[in-house]
Amino acid sequence: EIVLTQSPATLSLSPGERATLSCRASQSVSNFLAWYQQKPGQAPRLLIYDASNRATGIPARFSGSGSGTDFTLTISSLEPEDFAVYYCHQRSNWPPRLTFGGGTKVEIK
Amino acid sequence: QVQLVQSGAEVKKPGSSVKVSCKASGGTVSSSSAISWVRQAPGQGLEWMGGIIPIFGTSNYAQKFQGRVTITADESTSTAYMELSGLRSEDTAVYYCTRTSSYDSGGYYEDNWGQGTLVTVSS
Repeated sequence: EIVLTQSPATLSLSPGERATLSCRASQSVSNFLAWYQQKPGQAPRLLIYDASNRATGIPARFSGSGSGTDFTLTISSLEPEDFAVYYCHQRSNWPPRLTFGGGTKVEIK
Repeated sequence: QVQLVQSGAEVKKPGSSVKVSCKASGGTVSSSSAISWVRQAPGQGLEWMGGIIPIFGTSNYAQKFQGRVTITADESTSTAYMELSGLRSEDTAVYYCTRTSSYDSGGYYEDNWGQGTLVTVSS
């Protein structure tokens, strides 16, 4: 069973600053990793898939990188609407199961 | 585009069961590679409960919920269901359905989520 560990748990930054979020997998997932954003009272929204591809409608300030076991989500310049919780996610296809990291909360400093 | 519309909030007694529905509006459940259920307790992270592959009708569940959860899909109404029995206070959470899509890379990702259903378990 793959475990995803995110760090830090909380990131306190100001609008305009760069955010760097980390996700480490307990074993290689190749590049089959996704990132989600979740705002209070809302469902998660897919930001990045295949480790580095932006989902439809996601602004270019969001970028993902990494492969194997170490992954990074970068927000180049934080906008007010970017303060939220971010989860990394991996899906095993057989048997099908979903794994989520514990989340990183990006809060306003 | 397919929209997942879930049933409304529920308040249940400990020991009872709850059945949450997830209707694929503007499409069918069989157009999904899979439908999964994920829950989120207050202030906590996302927890996968299980899922169903609609074209095969096969379900699988997280070990934590084995024996307590049943996930089904009704093609005729394009609706998926999640039933959780033996409810306890720790099951108080928002329950989400989510649709898996396949991507050209060979990856599968949950790119469409229902709005969530709050289930409160209280005596």
